[in-house]
Amino acid sequence: GNSVTQMEGPVTLSEEAFLTINCTYTATGYPSLFWYVQYPGEGLQLLLKATKADDKGSNKGFEATYRKETTSFHLEKGSVQVSDSAVYFCALSDAMIKAAGNKLTFGGGTRVLVKP
Amino acid sequence: DGGITQSPKYLFRKEGQNVTLSCEQNLNHDAMYWYRQDPGQGLRLIYYSQIVNDFQKGDIAEGYSVSREKKESFPLTVTSAQKNPTAFYLCASSAGTETSYEQYFGPGTRLTVT
Repeated sequence: GNSVTQMEGPVTLSEEAFLTINCTYTATGYPSLFWYVQYPGEGLQLLLKATKADDKGSNKGFEATYRKETTSFHLEKGSVQVSDSAVYFCALSDAMIKAAGNKLTFGGGTRVLVKP
Repeated sequence: DGGITQSPKYLFRKEGQNVTLSCEQNLNHDAMYWYRQDPGQGLRLIYYSQIVNDFQKGDIAEGYSVSREKKESFPLTVTSAQKNPTAFYLCASSAGTETSYEQYFGPGTRLTVT
């Protein structure tokens, strides 16, 4: 079955540091890949997505590239701010399994804490 | 503004009582989902619905029930059979088309059962 593995947190950084959160996946077919962000006490917000190999998703200074050869979708940001403190989830949707509709498979989440 | 609403934000119940969590969307999405999130954990799928009057069990459906009588609404009932109901519950929806797989989430309902 499908699975998503994320690096465990928490990840603690200073403001303006470089952030990388690793995400690798196992899936049949050709999945679409997503990064979601969850701020304390809130629902998840879609941060970025990529639907095919070598696509780069980007939003709010965050980037992730769909690497089919390494089955990875690592999230990066060049200079984090205190406001980036949140939990980040990697997820995939396998477009080939029509019977499953478009269910998402989520990683366990990575908590990021940015200190001033 | 289009979006997903969940109410209430906090809900308290006594053990042995059924409780229904509301989820409404005005995005005209076909598919809707319910997830459970426990502290420090990822999301686990409870139920999902691709179209009105149809729904399927997710990974942890035991002790929960849903209905999908209208496209906009997908209420979740946490029954007394659910052994550990205290959790953060998230509702989501998606267009459910071949080119749009992302899900959009509501703000969540935190249920506490004592």
